[in-house]
Amino acid sequence: DAGITQSPRHKVTETGTPVTLRCHQTENHRYMYWYRQDPGHGLRLIHYSYGVKDTDKGEVSDGYSVSRSKTEDFLLTLESATSSQTSVYFCAISESIRDRGLSGTLHFGNGTRLTVT
Amino acid sequence: AQRVTQPEKLLSVFKGAPVELKCNYSYSGSPELFWYVQYSRQRLQLLLRHISRESIKGFTADLNKGETSFHLKKPFAQEEDSAMYYCALTWFYNQGGKLIFGQGTELSVKP
Repeated sequence: DAGITQSPRHKVTETGTPVTLRCHQTENHRYMYWYRQDPGHGLRLIHYSYGVKDTDKGEVSDGYSVSRSKTEDFLLTLESATSSQTSVYFCAISESIRDRGLSGTLHFGNGTRLTVT
Repeated sequence: AQRVTQPEKLLSVFKGAPVELKCNYSYSGSPELFWYVQYSRQRLQLLLRHISRESIKGFTADLNKGETSFHLKKPFAQEEDSAMYYCALTWFYNQGGKLIFGQGTELSVKP
């Protein structure tokens, strides 16, 4: 398995509280992604990063922010958690972007199960 | 906009039966398609990609641009194939190399 660690693995929090999820990689890959997994919706991209301090929004970015101050760490923050953000969150990394901008294979972390009560 | 549709939430078959997991995509250009699989208590992992034209664990998938489909097939299902399967799409000059995933299909292979 690629060296990707997500923390925490499980978290229960109350509505309105801030939450930060961490993704740590040991592969020195440039591209990192945060997805959420929900029944009936599959995996949806929240934010992604293409380098230190370089991030951009995905399809479901509202209510989330990210930061990447080091190559190895990509943080996802829920500024004020809501029940609709109860989900399983996956971090992924990509080895490279191939010729003509195609994605490389994604390697996923084990996921963080977040429950907002 | 790019979209991936997997019409079946759950597919249940008996061991030894053929399996076909459907995937349709929406993209006007030249896409690259993938199948990812998530076995119980394991990480999501790449199963196969269309450009490789390979068979992994007996699974194959052919890109049909006319029907905008990338169905996953296996002639004889095994119990260990039970898992969640996701079809995914990317495309040329895709900033950040994003993958767009479908809703997923849970495959259950009964003994």
